[in-house]
Amino acid sequence: DAKTTQPPSMDCAEGRAANLPCNHSTISGNEYVYWYRQIHSQGPQYIIHGLKNNETNEMASLIITEDRKSSTLILPHATLRDTAVYYCIVKDFGNEKLTFGTGTRLTIIP
Amino acid sequence: EAGVVQSPRYKIIEKKQPVAFWCNPISGHNTLYWYLQNLGQGPELLIRYENEEAVDDSQLPKDRFSAERLKGVDSTLKIQPAELGDSAVYLCASSLYGATEAFFGQGTRLTVV
Repeated sequence: DAKTTQPPSMDCAEGRAANLPCNHSTISGNEYVYWYRQIHSQGPQYIIHGLKNNETNEMASLIITEDRKSSTLILPHATLRDTAVYYCIVKDFGNEKLTFGTGTRLTIIP
Repeated sequence: EAGVVQSPRYKIIEKKQPVAFWCNPISGHNTLYWYLQNLGQGPELLIRYENEEAVDDSQLPKDRFSAERLKGVDSTLKIQPAELGDSAVYLCASSLYGATEAFFGQGTRLTVV
């Protein structure tokens, strides 16, 4: 699976959009971008995934660049409950293994 | 619907003692994972089951760690004997084979003293 690079930490004001970047320059054509988050003392939680088109669900939006070498997870109106570590993962759709990096620790500031 | 259930939530043991963790996956999920998470790090896969078969155990330290998934449902992860460096959170997850989403339990925090 391709390697991902994320900033170790970010802050965002409550109510603002949180934009979390991820670089995956070695991504291959059949690899998807997945995002999970882990709130303190809980297991990771799936957020969203995509291949090349932008995706949106009730939790977030995922913007993937045209060359697919980077992506951004957007939490449109961040709340205090969004404080967590966010993991960007690249893997084949048929590959059942999730390989986590160290993620981005997002802190929402009141 | 109940999520992935793990027990115990916390365990403190002395080094060289055995310890076991239990996981009950979401009903119907045929894929089950055990992950290890050290402080400040992302989870690392220890073993993955498809039904009762361990299909990926390459990262499981087999000299002291063992796992089983009888009847393809519940699973147990055992450490014998435990070492100080085994202090970590042990996470269980489950999914339907080929599904996009894996569901994680809350984990078991192990402290070896």
